Amino acid sequence: KNQVEQSPQSLIILEGKNCTLQCNYTVSPFSNLRWYKQDTGRGPVSLTIMTFSENTKSNGRYTATLDADTKQSSLHITASQLSDSASYICVVSGIGGGSYIPTFGRGTSLIVHP
Amino acid sequence: DAGVIQSPRHEVTEMGQEVTLRCKPISGHDYLFWYRQTMMRGLELLIYFNNNVPIDDSGMPEDRFSAKMPNASFSTLKIQPSEPRDSAVYFCASSKGVANSPLHFGNGTRLTVT
Repeated sequence: KNQVEQSPQSLIILEGKNCTLQCNYTVSPFSNLRWYKQDTGRGPVSLTIMTFSENTKSNGRYTATLDADTKQSSLHITASQLSDSASYICVVSGIGGGSYIPTFGRGTSLIVHP
Repeated sequence: DAGVIQSPRHEVTEMGQEVTLRCKPISGHDYLFWYRQTMMRGLELLIYFNNNVPIDDSGMPEDRFSAKMPNASFSTLKIQPSEPRDSAVYFCASSKGVANSPLHFGNGTRLTVT
């Protein structure tokens, strides 16, 4: 069964600090991995997509990494801001059968304090 | 584009009543998904449609749940009769293709069944 595990479950940091969120998956064969940001009371929004051949991709202060061999990804947030407080969800899609339908992790809840 | 539109935003009902949630996907998107989100289980896929045809409803928890997509611009999720354990946030999402396209989520319907 395809699974996506995220850690930590929750994280509290001070404004201006950096943090890293982790994602491990078992989806195979692998197609792509996305990180979504979900603000309170809103639907998730895609931040970045990683495909098999990509190791690192940045989107402003967000940098995602992918190690397809170990089936791990991370999302690094630099110089955190209060607006970064949200849930970050790792979503993995596979190839073939029903695996092309995205598998969602349960998310990491990030709180940034002033 | 207005994005995915869901209604109502909040629904409070009594146990045993029928509940209908509505979704208008983004024009031109050929996939539509219904998800349920709870603190305990995260985002769970209930059912998805491709070109208005239900493809996989294995995530629908019970026969009390049903979903329809009569045309490309409208879908409903119905719960009859509702139970307190159905209380959750229900999201609709649409995408153009699914392999390399992000899901675009609505802002959800928060359902409370008393």
